[in-house]
Amino acid sequence: AQSVTQPDIHITVSEGASLELRCNYSYGATPYLFWYVQSPGQGLQLLLKYFSGDTLVQGIKGFEAEFKRSQSSFNLRKPSVHWSDAAEYFCAVGAQSFQKLVFGTGTRLLVSP
Amino acid sequence: NAGVTQTPKFQVLKTGQSMTLQCAQDMNHNSMYWYRQDPGMGLRLIYYSASEGTTDKGEVPNGYNVSRLNKREFSLRLESAAPSQTSVYFCASSLENIQYFGAGTRLSVL
Repeated sequence: AQSVTQPDIHITVSEGASLELRCNYSYGATPYLFWYVQSPGQGLQLLLKYFSGDTLVQGIKGFEAEFKRSQSSFNLRKPSVHWSDAAEYFCAVGAQSFQKLVFGTGTRLLVSP
Repeated sequence: NAGVTQTPKFQVLKTGQSMTLQCAQDMNHNSMYWYRQDPGMGLRLIYYSASEGTTDKGEVPNGYNVSRLNKREFSLRLESAAPSQTSVYFCASSLENIQYFGAGTRLSVL
């Protein structure tokens, strides 16, 4: 069965500093991988996805993520965080033969001035 | 395009009451989903519908029923609400393995 681990419940980053959010997954075959962002009181918005090909994927709002098969990881990065990036971030894994997703428990990002 | 629309946005129920959460999408997607979100637990799948006329249980289906009324609409029903069903409920639809979410329904069961 698929599973996703986001080991950091909360992360605080200074505005302008770099960010890395960790995501590890468990799945027997090549997974579909996603990062979603949720602003307070809002639904989830897709940041980026990995299906195949180049293991470094670019998303919206200046985010990128790298798929590392050997580490079963799909970490999210941003070189310079803005105050508007404060939100909760969810990593998710999907099976190729189904359209169901399994979500991690989320990482809440706080941005300090 | 409105995308995925959920109604109501907020609801308070008493234990034992019933209600239906409505979800509609205007993107002509085949698959639709209902999730619940609880603090520290991420999103958990309640039910999904791979296509019109089909529904299947997800991870946490107990206490819920669903109806895929047509291609656009997928409703979630609580027949006898319990405090454990206090949560934020999200509907989603998908195309080519990408899911698009509604803004959620915040439900409190007292």
